[in-house]
Amino acid sequence: DIQLTQSPSSLSASVGDSITISCRASQSISSYLNWYQQKPGKAPKLLIYAASSLQSGVPSRFSGSGSGTDFTLTISSLQPEDFSTYYCQQSYSTSFTFGQGTRLEIK
Amino acid sequence: QVQLVQSGAEVKKPGASVKISCKASGYTFTRNYIHWVRQAPGQGLEWMGKIDPSGGGTTYAQKIQGRLTMTRDMSTSTVYMELSSLRSEDTAVYYCARVWSSFGVSLQYDYWGQGTLVTVSS
Repeated sequence: DIQLTQSPSSLSASVGDSITISCRASQSISSYLNWYQQKPGKAPKLLIYAASSLQSGVPSRFSGSGSGTDFTLTISSLQPEDFSTYYCQQSYSTSFTFGQGTRLEIK
Repeated sequence: QVQLVQSGAEVKKPGASVKISCKASGYTFTRNYIHWVRQAPGQGLEWMGKIDPSGGGTTYAQKIQGRLTMTRDMSTSTVYMELSSLRSEDTAVYYCARVWSSFGVSLQYDYWGQGTLVTVSS
């Protein structure tokens, strides 16, 4: 199975900050990389698909980049509702896999 | 509007089986694969497997293959996930999710069920 490693595992930031979360794949996955946001007790929500495409309805302060094995999720000008947990996911192989998650907390 | 509605919470004893349903509405059932993902308490997301509602073909994660069965009922647009020989480590919230293909290439989950908590305890 393709392994995805997210860093950092947790992150503290303030409203208005910009942050970046990294996701590294154990082999090349082209651009088959998605990002999800999950709030406590809720199902994950799709933010970014195909590495850099913004899902409809998602604020433009969210952006994604990368290809091959290295990917990033950037959130510019953090808002209170952005403090949550973020997961990357690969859909390159038959068996989809997720990163371990990054918890974004308010400083 | 697209909806995936899952069945309610379950409490099972070790060794038992559980069967969860995921009823789809608001789109053509046979056009999108359904995947199942679980999340143990305080843990991350784990991909379990997928089913093609059109042909019924399935693929399961190696880790739980042999204990997992996914089926579908086209008459009710419902997908089922059955997990057998339950262990305490199967305690988790189980989600179904619809796969959407963009540009005919990328694959991602655009709609999710609300989740079903399965508790395995003696």
